[in-house]
Amino acid sequence: NAGVTQTPKFQVLKTGQSMTLQCAQDMNHEYMSWYRQDPGMGLRLIHYSVGAGITDQGEVPNGYNVSRSTTEDFPLRLLSAAPSQTSVYFCASRLEGGTDTQYFGPGTRLTVL
Amino acid sequence: EDKVVQSPLSLVVHEGDTVTLNCSYEVTNFRSLLWYKQEKKAPTFLFMLTSSGIEKKSGRLSSILDKKELFSILNITATQTGDSAVYLCASQGGSEKLVFGKGTKLTVNP
Repeated sequence: NAGVTQTPKFQVLKTGQSMTLQCAQDMNHEYMSWYRQDPGMGLRLIHYSVGAGITDQGEVPNGYNVSRSTTEDFPLRLLSAAPSQTSVYFCASRLEGGTDTQYFGPGTRLTVL
Repeated sequence: EDKVVQSPLSLVVHEGDTVTLNCSYEVTNFRSLLWYKQEKKAPTFLFMLTSSGIEKKSGRLSSILDKKELFSILNITATQTGDSAVYLCASQGGSEKLVFGKGTKLTVNP
C-alpha cells in the first residue's frame, strides 16, 4: 500500500491563478479530508467527504472546491489563489468510524505571491 | 461551535524533565479525543481516548481524559531531545469531523 499520496510537494502560484492539489489513497477508506496548517494554528478542516459523490464543508471552505468521483481520489481546487491561501495542506483518510487510524499524506507547501 | 484549546502554546524544558500538556474541549455529542505528535512533517497518531479515568500509556507517554471537566492531559516523563515536536489535540463530536487545537510546541534541550 502506498497509503495517502499528495502531489505536488511544493507549489508557488501568483495571485489569481488556479490549481488542483491531488490526493489519493489505496486503502479503500470512505472518509477523506483536507486540512490547512498555518503557523501556530493547528490543523483547520477545509472540506471532507464520507464517500464517493458526497462532500461537505469544514471550518474554512471559502476559496476551495472539492469533488469525490471515486473512493481513491479527493482533489482540492483553488479557484483563484490569494496570498491568504499560503499554507501547508494535508490530506487525510480513514475508515468511517476509524478515528484512531487516520492516515495523513506528506503535505503540500503552497506559496501564493 | 466545537472548540479545542491547548495550553501552553509553547514549552521549553531540559532533558530528563517531566512535562504535562493540557487540552480542553467543547464538543457537541463527544465521541473521542485524540493526541498527535508532529515533527517537520505530517502528524502521527499517539492516543485515542473515549472513556474518563482510563490512562493510555505508551513508553514514556501517557494520557488521560476527564469527561466531566472536559479536558485531557498528555504526560511525557524523562523527556529526550527526540520528544521535541508540536503536540496536537483533536476532538470528534457527533459528525465524522475532527476539530484540532492550535498545538503545543515542545522544545527539549540537552
